[in-house]
Amino acid sequence: EIVLTQSPDTLSLSPGERATLSCRASQSVSSNYLAWYQQKPGQAPRLLIFRASTRATDIPDRFSGGGSGTDFTLSIIRLEPEDFAVYYCQQYGSSPYTFGQGTKLEIK
Amino acid sequence: QVQLVQSGSELERPGASVKVSCKASGYTFTDYGMTWVRRAPGQRLEWMGWVATDTREPTYAQAFTGRFVFSFDNTITTAYLQIFSLRAEDTAVYYCARKVRGLYYFDYWGQGTLVTVSS
Repeated sequence: EIVLTQSPDTLSLSPGERATLSCRASQSVSSNYLAWYQQKPGQAPRLLIFRASTRATDIPDRFSGGGSGTDFTLSIIRLEPEDFAVYYCQQYGSSPYTFGQGTKLEIK
Repeated sequence: QVQLVQSGSELERPGASVKVSCKASGYTFTDYGMTWVRRAPGQRLEWMGWVATDTREPTYAQAFTGRFVFSFDNTITTAYLQIFSLRAEDTAVYYCARKVRGLYYFDYWGQGTLVTVSS
């Protein structure tokens, strides 16, 4: 089973700043099959990125994904108030499909 | 627009069973599989498996074989998760999510259903 470790656990930033979230896999993720999700309290998770760097439908271009193999990043430039949430990475390259523990992006 | 709306919170005794529903709308139900994901308190999201809505074939992750059953009724575009012989450790939020064709990431999610198992 691939274990995903996200860092940091919590990131405190101000609106307008840039956020960089990390997701590291315990082994290489096949075909860079890595997704990122955003979740706000009481809401359903929302798909942001798939295949490491492809934005999902209607996701603003201030969100970008990168990386390959075992190291992946989610970057958010010019943070908006609605971007403060918890972010999860998920690998879907090999079963069981696993998730990271999450990074909470909070307002500083 | 695509929506997945889940049933409300459940409080059950150990040994009982529960059935969580997930009503899908905004797309052709049988064109996409439905997956289930669990988040137990203090734990990370955990993929439970999925059901193919065209073939009716369920696939269960190893940790979810035996007491967990995925089903659906395509006439009312609703998927179900049943859990039998409930245990305290089944206490969690359960999410349904639409599985992208051919791959195992999930493009739309339900809001989650809290199942609490307590005597």
